[in-house]
Amino acid sequence: AQSVTQLGSHVSVSEGALVLLRCNYSSSVPPYLFWYVQYPNQGLQLLLKYTTGATLVKGINGFEAEFKKSETSFHLTKPSAHMSDAAEYFCAVSDYDYKLSFGAGTTVTVRA
Amino acid sequence: NAGVTQTPKFQVLKTGQSMTLQCAQDMNHNSMYWYRQDPGMGLRLIYYSASEGTTDKGEVPNGYNVSRLNKREFSLRLESAAPSQTSVYFCASSAQGGGYGYTFGSGTRLTVV
Repeated sequence: AQSVTQLGSHVSVSEGALVLLRCNYSSSVPPYLFWYVQYPNQGLQLLLKYTTGATLVKGINGFEAEFKKSETSFHLTKPSAHMSDAAEYFCAVSDYDYKLSFGAGTTVTVRA
Repeated sequence: NAGVTQTPKFQVLKTGQSMTLQCAQDMNHNSMYWYRQDPGMGLRLIYYSASEGTTDKGEVPNGYNVSRLNKREFSLRLESAAPSQTSVYFCASSAQGGGYGYTFGSGTRLTVV
């Protein structure tokens, strides 16, 4: 069974600063990995995903994530935070079955 | 617009009442899911349907039942609501399992008093 750990339930960054959200996973097989974003009172929106191939994955809104198998990590970054990035972010993992397992989420606040 | 539609958006129930949450997708997806979201716990899978005609339990199925009515629709029923079922419920669908990612509905905020 797979599981996901997101380090830090809250992250506060200044506008223009680097955003770094940490995600570690456990999986018995090569995983599929995802980052989702949730804006207040909305559903979850896919930011990016890793299935196979290039380990650096680019997503929407300037976000990217790198799959590091040796570290079982899939950290999310954005070079320069914008006020509109304030949201909750979820890392998720799936193996070859039909289910995604989600981390507990990280809430990002952006200071002007 | 194509996507996943959930009804209702908000609901207040009294303890012991029953209700059904409705979910429909128009993307011709095979797999559908019900999750609940609670603060600090992320999303937890209640039930899922890998394909039309099949349903399976997820991580937290107790107190819930589901019906995959057809390929488009997947409903979640609370037979006797309890305060512990106060949560935000999300329906999702995917083309063929978890590797394709999910499309989520906008959620149902349920309060049981």
